[in-house]
Amino acid sequence: EDKVVQSPLSLVVHEGDTVTLNCSYEVTNFRSLLWYKQEKKAPTFLFMLTSSGIEKKSGRLSSILDKKELSSILNITATQTGDSAIYLCAVGQETSGSRLTFGEGTQLTVNP
Amino acid sequence: GAVVSQHPSWVICKSGTSVKIECRSLDFQATTMFWYRQFPKQSLMLMATSNEGSKATYEQGVEKDKFLINHASLTLSTLTVTSAHPEDSSFYICSARVGSHGYTFGSGTRLTVV
Repeated sequence: EDKVVQSPLSLVVHEGDTVTLNCSYEVTNFRSLLWYKQEKKAPTFLFMLTSSGIEKKSGRLSSILDKKELSSILNITATQTGDSAIYLCAVGQETSGSRLTFGEGTQLTVNP
Repeated sequence: GAVVSQHPSWVICKSGTSVKIECRSLDFQATTMFWYRQFPKQSLMLMATSNEGSKATYEQGVEKDKFLINHASLTLSTLTVTSAHPEDSSFYICSARVGSHGYTFGSGTRLTVV
């Protein structure tokens, strides 16, 4: 059975802290790994990592894919209260339709 | 960029009634649409995959007669929750593939069954 596991499930930090969110996966026909930020509504896209692009960075956020360890991390430096959200990891597969399998998410709370 | 418009954004209905949720791809053709359900404090669970012009593929445990999916055109996919019950109250989101790797999401529908 395809599986995506995120840790921790929840995290509370203070503004300015750096956080690392983890995602590990066991899926058949791996195609890509995606990170999303979800606040009140639908997820918003952060990064997509593939075999040809294993490291991405955008401002204070960065992500790395470790295909050997079947895992990825999402780093957020100098956290702000606006970073409070659920962070979802999803893995896309090369199966028909290329479905996404989501992890349980990490609830990040950044306190002032 | 590719946009999926999802309506309604929220709906309250009585037990036993049916509710239809629409997802339209506005500037691209969505051959495949994924339908997810999300309960509070949980992740997105794939319910079914709809393909234009053919029957939807449902995930294990999802009742196809209760969650009717129609994908009649390349720009419209609908999910109808039939004979809704309070336990069907949830956040429903559609998503479509864009390009070779990307995905775009609808804004979601918060369904409350009373």
